[in-house]
Amino acid sequence: GAGVSQSPSNKVTEKGKDVELRCDPISGHTALYWYRQSLGQGLEFLIYFQGNSAPDKSGLPSDRFSAERTGGSVSTLTIQRTQQEDSAVYLCASSLIAGVGGTQYFGPGTRLTVL
Amino acid sequence: EDQVTQSPEALRLQEGESSSLNCSYTVSGLRGLFWYRQDPGKGPEFLFTLYSAGEEKEKERLKATLTKKESFLHITAPKPEDSATYLCAVQAGGNQFYFGTGTSLTVIP
Repeated sequence: GAGVSQSPSNKVTEKGKDVELRCDPISGHTALYWYRQSLGQGLEFLIYFQGNSAPDKSGLPSDRFSAERTGGSVSTLTIQRTQQEDSAVYLCASSLIAGVGGTQYFGPGTRLTVL
Repeated sequence: EDQVTQSPEALRLQEGESSSLNCSYTVSGLRGLFWYRQDPGKGPEFLFTLYSAGEEKEKERLKATLTKKESFLHITAPKPEDSATYLCAVQAGGNQFYFGTGTSLTVIP
């Protein structure tokens, strides 16, 4: 079956612009996660969804970051007024369940470059 | 503070030269430890999940083991196609996932 897909694969934007990153999880997966991966850094947790609700938003770096999930499927991560430090690869993962045994399967990522 | 540390940061092996990668962790309420492989420009690819100390899992040339404080990923007789970055992650009690910064493995023919 199809894996996790993300779009766009690459995004170049100017400082101050808003961007939207999209994630299509594996069909039937109830949990969805967003991470950020900067050069030389480990994956940084941003937010996760159980269904359409986000029990844990603690990883969002600032109020410029927001995410939503609709229909228990597609999720969008929005970054407003982008800054150069937002440049990174944004990874999405989904898992069948959110609890123990919820192995995460990752998409290919969106590489965001803020000029 | 929950933390995951991987070592070494980089490892170069000759083809056929076996070695181990280390992942040490401090986390409250470990729910699982995960190993992933990541190739350049791609998302992490799931390898193993370990849940309790003493557990071992194998897949081809890879074997993962878990103790109460660390996990090892043993690579037996590696091939050039095993070259990648190997990531370790732990799932904490609050369903948070913490990733290490990875070990970059290069296998030289």
